[in-house]
Amino acid sequence: TQLLEQSPQFLSIQEGENLTVYCNSSSVFSSLQWYRQEPGEGPVLLVTVVTGGEVKKLKRLTFQFGDARKDSSLHITAAQPGDTGLYLCAGSKNQGGKLIFGQGTELSVKP
Amino acid sequence: DTAVSQTPKYLVTQMGNDKSIKCEQNLGHDTMYWYKQDSKKFLKIMFSYNNKELIINETVPNRFSPKSPDKAHLNLHINSLELGDSAVYFCASSPGQLNTIYFGEGSWLTVV
Repeated sequence: TQLLEQSPQFLSIQEGENLTVYCNSSSVFSSLQWYRQEPGEGPVLLVTVVTGGEVKKLKRLTFQFGDARKDSSLHITAAQPGDTGLYLCAGSKNQGGKLIFGQGTELSVKP
Repeated sequence: DTAVSQTPKYLVTQMGNDKSIKCEQNLGHDTMYWYKQDSKKFLKIMFSYNNKELIINETVPNRFSPKSPDKAHLNLHINSLELGDSAVYFCASSPGQLNTIYFGEGSWLTVV
């Protein structure tokens, strides 16, 4: 049973389009993180959200933590080829607890 | 100045062999991890060490044995390699109780 479900699993879009990736669970998390992994590299942390309803922005990326702290979304505005990669959400049920990863969303942005 | 470095990056070996992957972090972090990423890109924790002590040991075959000689190093030794062990293994570290994890670049293990 996958604790964190990401959707879509694969996404191929044209440069300039907007997109949203979802990370859903039936469990409550104390914090949730988003990572991006490029081919041949390890995942790199993009953001951590800890408060229900929290919204964080990182340039063209907007992250939201659900009010009930069970889900999160990542929205990219005007996607660029450099955004191509594997996006992973990861949640922790308590401070210092292990991170549980979603299965990832592979994004391809074509010029 | 690689923060979390692991070697080798690529490893091709035959079934039944024993191999090790080394990991070192220069971030001064107390906690280190080994993660396994399968062919479907699913990332799953294997082990976690805090100040050289094992704190997380997921359901991993005992052919996998982590060793932490000091808090900056966490090596992974695998005995009697099987085809299903083929994956990318990531070492990572984090500053104590916080959950920001810094990953190494991964070690691509192929068992033939």
